[in-house]
Amino acid sequence: NAGVTQTPKFQVLKTGQSMTLQCAQDMNHEYMSWYRQDPGMGLRLIHYSVGAGITDQGEVPNGYNVSRSTTEDFPLRLLSAAPSQTSVYFCASSSEPLDRGYGEQYFGPGTRLTVT
Amino acid sequence: GESVGLHLPTLSVQEGDNSIINCAYSNSASDYFIWYKQESGKGPQFIIDIRSNMDKRQGQRVTVLLNKTVKHLSLQIAATQPGDSAVYFCAERSQGAGGTSYGKLTFGQGTILTVHP
Repeated sequence: NAGVTQTPKFQVLKTGQSMTLQCAQDMNHEYMSWYRQDPGMGLRLIHYSVGAGITDQGEVPNGYNVSRSTTEDFPLRLLSAAPSQTSVYFCASSSEPLDRGYGEQYFGPGTRLTVT
Repeated sequence: GESVGLHLPTLSVQEGDNSIINCAYSNSASDYFIWYKQESGKGPQFIIDIRSNMDKRQGQRVTVLLNKTVKHLSLQIAATQPGDSAVYFCAERSQGAGGTSYGKLTFGQGTILTVHP
């Protein structure tokens, strides 16, 4: 198993550009999430999905879109990049929802995004 | 323990010592807690979890203690090794907002553990 994979590892964008961060998992997990990690702050949830075709907003969804057409893939789209979106982005997956108490999320290696 | 701000708390120990990393959580209604390890340039890695109906849980070389009275969580690492050097952070789960069944995880900023050979 490759686990959770993310591409690219690094990306530099200019303000206003759009791009898609890719995330894939090969563990057949229903639950997938996108987080951002900023200095001095804990991980914050952007969007999540409880299965193919079902997504919902997390804590900081503005400026990001997601879709879940397959169980394996959960891409994150930046619609019009802003310097405030400079961050490290992590994708995670789990076999159980958090509200069942099985919180063993598997995280990808992250994408470091800089917006100039 | 963890705190808000750009400078993470640090803990330096000698190889073989026991380490204790602390976390103060914010929500008295939180019912589930997780400790993560994050090595430089990598994603967080699940270490151990504990539910609020427990006060102690042991894993391999790690023990988590929960004190709900003072809203405090600690991670004890026995016989710390250089490979344990990383940032450790806790997360607390509370019920999601707006009727969603998806619990909300709130993450701490972390503590930097450095293990000297």
